[in-house]
Amino acid sequence: SQELEQSPQSLIVQEGKNLTINCTSSKTLYGLYWYKQKYGEGLIFLMMLQKGGEEKSHEKITAKLDEKKQQSSLHITASQPSHAGIYLCGAAATSGTYKYIFGTGTRLKVLA
Amino acid sequence: SQTIHQWPATLVQPVGSPLSLECTVEGTSNPNLYWYRQAAGRGLQLLFYSVGIGQISSEVPQNLSASRPQDRQFILSSKKLLLSDSGFYLCAWSVSSTQYFGPGTRLTVL
Repeated sequence: SQELEQSPQSLIVQEGKNLTINCTSSKTLYGLYWYKQKYGEGLIFLMMLQKGGEEKSHEKITAKLDEKKQQSSLHITASQPSHAGIYLCGAAATSGTYKYIFGTGTRLKVLA
Repeated sequence: SQTIHQWPATLVQPVGSPLSLECTVEGTSNPNLYWYRQAAGRGLQLLFYSVGIGQISSEVPQNLSASRPQDRQFILSSKKLLLSDSGFYLCAWSVSSTQYFGPGTRLTVL
């Protein structure tokens, strides 16, 4: 079965620093979704990537999907305390399915 | 705009007691609805999904069940809770490929 592996599992950075979170799939991705979760709260949708080589940005967060569609990276520029939380990647298990699988998340802490 | 509600926000229940968690969506019609569980240190596990009223697909055999009595209402139930049912339960909806999540219910079974 397909799995999503995220790295690193946790990250502590100083405010203003850039950082990257990776999400690697064991199979071809049919849509890759990035979410952010504050502890004890629901997931907030950040962005979706579908095409190989696609890149999207939202404020200071940029996500890319590699050409082979098996890895995605999330890059935060000039991190702020408001960026702290858990970042999860999710993907459709197979093309056209309603079933998602998720990575175990990357816990980000930003020190002021 | 679309809104998703879940209640209760937190719940503490004894082992063997029944469970009913409710999820409702506003601002959309005929959404796909999902129940997930998030256990400590683990990713999200899909429990049930529904593509229409009365249509429920179960992903993980367990002592939980789901029902969709109305188009925008999704209920997660159990007749007898187990300790292993503790976790954070999230409801989600979609009309295309992107899923949007509710605020979650933290369930503690003692």
